[in-house]
Amino acid sequence: AIQLTQSPSSLSASVGDRVTITCRASQGISSALAWYQQKPGKAPKLLIYDASSLESGVPSRFSGSGSGTDFTLTISSLQPEDFATYYCQQFNNYPLTFGGGTKVEIK
Amino acid sequence: QVTLRESGPALVKPTQTLTLTCTFSGFSLSTSGMCVSWVRQPPGKALEWLALIDWDDDKYYSTSLKTRLTISKDTSKNQVVLTMTNMDPVDTATYYCARILDGGYIDYWGQGTLVTVSS
Repeated sequence: AIQLTQSPSSLSASVGDRVTITCRASQGISSALAWYQQKPGKAPKLLIYDASSLESGVPSRFSGSGSGTDFTLTISSLQPEDFATYYCQQFNNYPLTFGGGTKVEIK
Repeated sequence: QVTLRESGPALVKPTQTLTLTCTFSGFSLSTSGMCVSWVRQPPGKALEWLALIDWDDDKYYSTSLKTRLTISKDTSKNQVVLTMTNMDPVDTATYYCARILDGGYIDYWGQGTLVTVSS
């Protein structure tokens, strides 16, 4: 199975900060990567698919990049509602796999 | 609009078999490209993908859990059923069903159902 390693596992940031989360795949997955946001007690929400395509309705401060094994999720200016846990997921091969998550906390 | 809802027992005993049902609306699992998947999340831990069934009745399973999992669908009822055998306390988690297009990313999630494994 393809392993996804997210870093950092947690970070503290302030409103307005630029935040970057990375996701590294154990083997190449082309652009078959999605990013999700999860708030406590809620189901995850799709942010980015195909590594860099923004899901409809998601604010443009979210962006994704990368291909092959290295991917990033960037929040250009962190807003109060962005404090959450973020997960990457690959869909290049079965079994589908998720990264371990990155918790974004308030500094 | 697309909705999914999980149902099943909130509490199961160790060694028992868990049966969860996902009832969905707003799409048909007989449509080419449509898939339904199960994902779980132990309290305070990361998401874990479990299984997927597609419109063509192809089934895929987590490598580590495949001996314990069975996924099936009833297209006429718009339902997908997941069974997990030999439940253990470490299987305590919120179980989500979700829609996937073309075996890719999840665009719709159910609200999740918490299953506790305890004697």
